[in-house]
Amino acid sequence: GAGVSQTPSNKVTEKGKYVELRCDPISGHTALYWYRQSLGQGPEFLIYFQGTGAADDSGLPNDRFFAVRPEGSVSTLKIQRTERGDSAVYLCASSLGGGLNEQYFGPGTRLTVT
Amino acid sequence: TQLLEQSPQFLSIQEGENLTVYCNSSSVFSSLQWYRQEPGEGPVLLVTVVTGGEVKKLKRLTFQFGDARKDSSLHITAAQPGDTGLYLCAGEGGKLIFGQGTELSVKP
Repeated sequence: GAGVSQTPSNKVTEKGKYVELRCDPISGHTALYWYRQSLGQGPEFLIYFQGTGAADDSGLPNDRFFAVRPEGSVSTLKIQRTERGDSAVYLCASSLGGGLNEQYFGPGTRLTVT
Repeated sequence: TQLLEQSPQFLSIQEGENLTVYCNSSSVFSSLQWYRQEPGEGPVLLVTVVTGGEVKKLKRLTFQFGDARKDSSLHITAAQPGDTGLYLCAGEGGKLIFGQGTELSVKP
């Protein structure tokens, strides 16, 4: 079946602009995660959804970052007033549930802020 | 703050050699996972270890979880060029905490 998909695959934006990154999880997966991976680093947790609600948003770096999952499927990560330090690969993962259920990762969106 | 330190960060070896990657923390994790990531792709789960002292084998890969559940190792026997990639350990403690990764290059 289809895996996790993310769009766009690449996004270049100017400093100060607003961006939206989309994640389509595997059908039937109730848990959805967003991570950020900077060059030469491992993924860094941002936020975890169980269904429509954010169960843990402790990884969001500041209030410029926001994520939604209104129908419990597709999720959008929104970044306001982008800064050059936001440049990274943004990864989405989904799983059947939280805890030890295997997370399946998408290919990521590479965000470059100029 | 829970942190995972991986070593080495970079490893370049010849085909047929053995290698070990280490993942260490001062924190206890309920489980530890190992992933492999290729360029332009997301990480793919290789194994999950749950019990202290547990050893799991996946073909030429051997994974061990420390007795105190604070550290883990990945040993590859007779490495092949297809093993090239970024290897990540991740601890489960309510959410996944990733190490910084080990970039492995296996030359034919």
